[in-house]
Amino acid sequence: DTAVSQTPKYLVTQMGNDKSIKCEQNLGHDTMYWYKQDSKKFLKIMFSYNNKELIINETVPNRFSPKSPDKAHLNLHINSLELGDSAVYFCASSHGLAGGFNEQFFGPGTRLTVL
Amino acid sequence: DQQVKQNSPSLSVQEGRISILNCDYTNSMFDYFLWYKKYPAEGPTFLISISSIKDKNEDGRFTVFLNKSAKHLSLHIVPSQPGDSAVYFCAASDGGNKLVFGAGTILRVKS
Repeated sequence: DTAVSQTPKYLVTQMGNDKSIKCEQNLGHDTMYWYKQDSKKFLKIMFSYNNKELIINETVPNRFSPKSPDKAHLNLHINSLELGDSAVYFCASSHGLAGGFNEQFFGPGTRLTVL
Repeated sequence: DQQVKQNSPSLSVQEGRISILNCDYTNSMFDYFLWYKKYPAEGPTFLISISSIKDKNEDGRFTVFLNKSAKHLSLHIVPSQPGDSAVYFCAASDGGNKLVFGAGTILRVKS
């Protein structure tokens, strides 16, 4: 009964490949997020969806394309992977738009390594 | 442009003593602050928060203090327990739809 789940947990791939990371939440939340934790350990917001609509897009390269088929899922597709995409990617969800007032629940993370 | 800074990468404390984790911010528009705790191979989990209209919020062993004039907040854990060993992230919001996180502080509580 995991609240926010991500698959896969680890992803190792070659430069230039296309890959997807899936996220699902069973909390009944209407807002979902993707964060990137880079080598400097900062957690940076990439995207946020509310009721399947994109509300935050933080100047992420357009090789990254989020897709929200329904409120419980937010998948991240990455085209033409580059070395700099290596990071841990966290999915999160909240009830309502989280300006901080609504607690965000995080998934366990997906460690992406681009060789 | 690091709007939220946690200048201590790590902190080591003896069990039973107080742990103090610090966080500084630069954006005066931030009005809500949170602390998240993260264990290895897990996602961050919410710990405690504080609104800018308050200067202190307490929840059991955890207390967050906010000094708006200094743009500084701190998390106090008393008494520290070995299970508190984790990475602690400070985060801030300006009322918009996103959180800005610091780089985290690794806390080790020695028994």
